[in-house]
Amino acid sequence: AQSVTQPDIHITVSEGASLELRCNYSYGATPYLFWYVQSPGQGLQLLLKYFSGDTLVQGIKGFEAEFKRSQSSFNLRKPSVHWSDAAEYFCAVGFVQGAQKLVFGQGTRLTINP
Amino acid sequence: KAGVTQTPRYLIKTRGQQVTLSCSPISGHRSVSWYQQTPGQGLQFLFEYFSETQRNKGNFPGRFSGRQFSNSRSEMNVSTLELGDSALYLCASSLGGVDGYTFGSGTRLTVV
Repeated sequence: AQSVTQPDIHITVSEGASLELRCNYSYGATPYLFWYVQSPGQGLQLLLKYFSGDTLVQGIKGFEAEFKRSQSSFNLRKPSVHWSDAAEYFCAVGFVQGAQKLVFGQGTRLTINP
Repeated sequence: KAGVTQTPRYLIKTRGQQVTLSCSPISGHRSVSWYQQTPGQGLQFLFEYFSETQRNKGNFPGRFSGRQFSNSRSEMNVSTLELGDSALYLCASSLGGVDGYTFGSGTRLTVV
């Protein structure tokens, strides 16, 4: 069955430090991959997405992610975090044939230390 | 342009009651999808509507239903509410696929 794993439930980093959030997926074909961010009490905002082509994708708010087919991974990175990046981050796989839906990972909560 | 609007933002219902949640998509978007978010199960797909037709349904009991109107607005209904239905219900609209989702802020349902 298709699945998405985010191994880290909670990560704490200091403001200004670099960040990497991990995401692994299980899917039979080349997936459509997404990273979303959710602030408390809010909906999901799309940070970036990968469909094909260049495996390093740039997103909003200074985030980037790299697709590695050999590792079935799509890790999210940011070189220097800001206090406003504190939120929950979700990785998702998109099904675009048949059922149009997203399968989400369990999320990683990011805390920023001042 | 206006985003996806979900109403109401908060609801408190009693076990056994039913509830209807509303989602107004971005103008021009014909696909509306619903997701349930709980601390235990995370984000789970409920169903998707496109041009008034349900295209896909997730693994939820028949108490969960929905519909879409000709103006693309969508409603979801949960009958015979259970405590476990307490969740944040998120609606997402797109032109027609998952690659262009825009999510609303959600409706927080609490069942007591």
